[in-house]
Amino acid sequence: RKEVEQDPGPFNVPEGATVAFNCTYSNSASQSFFWYRQDCRKEPKLLMSVYSSGNEDGRFTAQLNRASQYISLLIRDSKLSDSATYLCVVFGGATNKLIFGTGTLLAVQP
Amino acid sequence: EAGVTQFPSHSVIEKGQTVTLRCDPISGHDNLYWYRRVMGKEIKFLLHFVKESKQDESGMPNNRFLAERTGGTYSTLKVQPAELEDSGVYFCASSQVPRWTEAFFGQGTRLTVV
Repeated sequence: RKEVEQDPGPFNVPEGATVAFNCTYSNSASQSFFWYRQDCRKEPKLLMSVYSSGNEDGRFTAQLNRASQYISLLIRDSKLSDSATYLCVVFGGATNKLIFGTGTLLAVQP
Repeated sequence: EAGVTQFPSHSVIEKGQTVTLRCDPISGHDNLYWYRRVMGKEIKFLLHFVKESKQDESGMPNNRFLAERTGGTYSTLKVQPAELEDSGVYFCASSQVPRWTEAFFGQGTRLTVV
């Protein structure tokens, strides 16, 4: 079983749609959680950290459920520029390294 | 301020050859990480330097891979001899402290072994 599991997609949505991505992780000792965004042939860039209380940054809302070991990302009012791969990333329990999911591909259509 | 830079951006080599990838972290960043993405798989950790010391090299796939960070500045990752399964994108990331909210990735080196 992979340490971080994501639906690879692709998610094809029209502009203005709301889309949600889910992710599960296997190590209950994981400490920190992130969503990264990766554009085609570019490096991953931190989109936002994820907290148990939930956090929002503009059109983006992230949520963490530690009991279910589940992380989500909600994007409202999708823009064409949101098209990218969204990586669910977990900071490993006892180790100082990031564990990546395979990513979910989002394509926002005009 | 310059970001994390990696050289070369692309490399195509034949099986059995040697390739050296280079990463220049952001100036002043003590923590330097190498990651790799093989086609169709997730990005995976290779190793972590703190200054010139290897803090964790548990992700290095085998002894054909050698990473160095002399003087605690730039780092090199040598693959010798390269095999077909080494093809992928090699990313470097750096941070001043080991907090991922403050780490930045380079654009990666796309390695193709033919």
